[in-house]
Amino acid sequence: AQSVTQLGSHVSVSEGALVLLRCNYSSSVPPYLFWYVQYPNQGLQLLLKYTSAATLVKGINGFEAEFKKSETSFHLTKPSAHMSDAAEYFCAVSRFSGGYNKLIFGAGTRLAVHP
Amino acid sequence: NAGVTQTPKFQVLKTGQSMTLQCAQDMNHNSMYWYRQDPGMGLRLIYYSASEGTTDKGEVPNGYNVSRLNKREFSLRLESAAPSQTSVYFCASRTGSFNQPQHFGDGTRLSIL
Repeated sequence: AQSVTQLGSHVSVSEGALVLLRCNYSSSVPPYLFWYVQYPNQGLQLLLKYTSAATLVKGINGFEAEFKKSETSFHLTKPSAHMSDAAEYFCAVSRFSGGYNKLIFGAGTRLAVHP
Repeated sequence: NAGVTQTPKFQVLKTGQSMTLQCAQDMNHNSMYWYRQDPGMGLRLIYYSASEGTTDKGEVPNGYNVSRLNKREFSLRLESAAPSQTSVYFCASRTGSFNQPQHFGDGTRLSIL
């Protein structure tokens, strides 16, 4: 079975500081992995995806994530936080079951950015 | 370029009432999904439709029904609403490709008193 664990339900950083949001997955086969961002009162927006090409994936808004098979991790980073990065972030793994593809989401990490 | 459109955006119901949440996508996607989002639990899949004419249960289907009306539209029905169904509901769609992301609507915020 595939699942996703996001370490830390809340993360707080100063503006200009490094952002690190952690995601670990369990999968019996090479996974497809995604990071989504959700701003208040909005739907989920795709930040980036890993689909077995380059292990370092660059996304929108300056975010990137590195796939590490040995650690079963797909952590999200941004070198310098901006106030507009305050949102909730979800890691997800694609699961193929019963002939269909589904997304399994982590519980989410709420990022706060303070001046 | 609307993407995934959900209606209504907000709704308040009384226990026992019924209602249908509407979802439409204009990206010609084969697959469509309904999720509910509750604090600290991420998104949980209620039902999905891999293609027009097919539907299947997800993690939390009890108390819900769905209809894939055509390729564009996928509705979610609550026959007899319960307070436990108070949540934010998201519709999503995706192409048939396994490695492609899902695209989400802005959600329906549903409160059941």
